[in-house]
Amino acid sequence: AQSVTQLGSHVSVSEGALVLLRCNYSSSVPPYLFWYVQYPNQGLQLLLKYTSAATLVKGINGFEAEFKKSETSFHLTKPSAHMSDAAEYFCAVISGGYNKLIFGAGTRLAVHP
Amino acid sequence: KAGVTQTPRYLIKTRGQQVTLSCSPISGHRSVSWYQQTPGQGLQFLFEYFSETQRNKGNFPGRFSGRQFSNSRSEMNVSTLELGDSALYLCASSPGQVGDEQFFGPGTRLTVL
Repeated sequence: AQSVTQLGSHVSVSEGALVLLRCNYSSSVPPYLFWYVQYPNQGLQLLLKYTSAATLVKGINGFEAEFKKSETSFHLTKPSAHMSDAAEYFCAVISGGYNKLIFGAGTRLAVHP
Repeated sequence: KAGVTQTPRYLIKTRGQQVTLSCSPISGHRSVSWYQQTPGQGLQFLFEYFSETQRNKGNFPGRFSGRQFSNSRSEMNVSTLELGDSALYLCASSPGQVGDEQFFGPGTRLTVL
């Protein structure tokens, strides 16, 4: 069964610093990978998705992620954090076909002045 | 284009009762998926409906059921509520092909007393 591991349940950065959120997946076939963000009391919003077209994927709000098959990783980065980036971030993989998303446990990002 | 809507947004029930949650997908989307989000278990897939048929199912007891109507609107039902059913229930819609972006609604917060 496919699974997703997010390293670090809490990450804290200073405003303007690099954001790096880690995600590793297990998959026996080329995966569909996603990063979602959740703000308090809201649903999930897609940041970006990997569907094998390119290993470096650019998303919304300045985020990007690089697919590394050899490391089975799909880490999320942003060069310069903003206060508005404070939220919970989820990495997910499609499992079993169609639209069954398997989520990681999430990483809560705090941004301090 | 209107987003995914879920009703009600908040619900309080007592143990043993049953509850029905509703989800209206984005116009033109034929797939609706349901997820349960809890602090302890994170985001877990419940089931997916596509063109009125259940296409995928997660590992939840039979007390959790759903259906989809011809206009793609979906409902999920939980019978004989338990305290552990307290959660945020998220609905997501997509066109229905593998790897399609899933658009999430704001969720229904269910509290079981």
